[in-house]
Amino acid sequence: DTGVSQNPRHKITKRGQNVTFRCDPISEHNRLYWYRQTLGQGPEFLTYFQNEAQLEKSRLLSDRFSAERPKGSFSTLEIQRTEQGDSAMYLCASSPGTGSTKAFFGQGTRLTVV
Amino acid sequence: SQQGEEDPQALSIQEGENATMNCSYKTSINNLQWYRQNSGRGLVHLILIRSNEREKHSGRLRVTLDTSKKSSSLLITASRAADTASYFCAPPWRTGGYNKLIFGAGTRLAVHP
Repeated sequence: DTGVSQNPRHKITKRGQNVTFRCDPISEHNRLYWYRQTLGQGPEFLTYFQNEAQLEKSRLLSDRFSAERPKGSFSTLEIQRTEQGDSAMYLCASSPGTGSTKAFFGQGTRLTVV
Repeated sequence: SQQGEEDPQALSIQEGENATMNCSYKTSINNLQWYRQNSGRGLVHLILIRSNEREKHSGRLRVTLDTSKKSSSLLITASRAADTASYFCAPPWRTGGYNKLIFGAGTRLAVHP
């Protein structure tokens, strides 16, 4: 068990560019969450997967955001046509599918849009 | 939404002192979790308390839960500089047949040597 892994740890991109982040959850965890966190705020829920199915996507997410979890393993979060307001820490978490909501978080990907 | 609301927003204490953080939530729950986040890092699960428990201990942490008041508290005893972090409560929010964690703004704890 190596924990939840996120890559890259840091990403600086120019406004208008597309970016993609990857999350590798703890193996055998069938639940995966993405959160976004800005300075001084708590993590804001973005989307949730159970296995490969995306069960919920926050209304706060614009159509520029898309997430996938092929084969129920790793997940990717893509942001198209980035804006300065997208600058934040993007956190991934996973939890087992046994009824427990105890979540294990990755170290996050810090996105800076310039 | 069901996010927990932590109070105070910020807390500054000296090493050795106790730190108490409070959490309020809105609807019935079957458990509540507390997480810690060091600056620039991911969240780390601290403790889970179930609705049929009133108090739970883990090392220097003591968590209470009052379901009648829809509130919880986290007490850190004999604080250390390494306890400096943000602390979040997370009552589960059941939607669409599953539970998800919704976080408030947290309590930022600063422990000074």
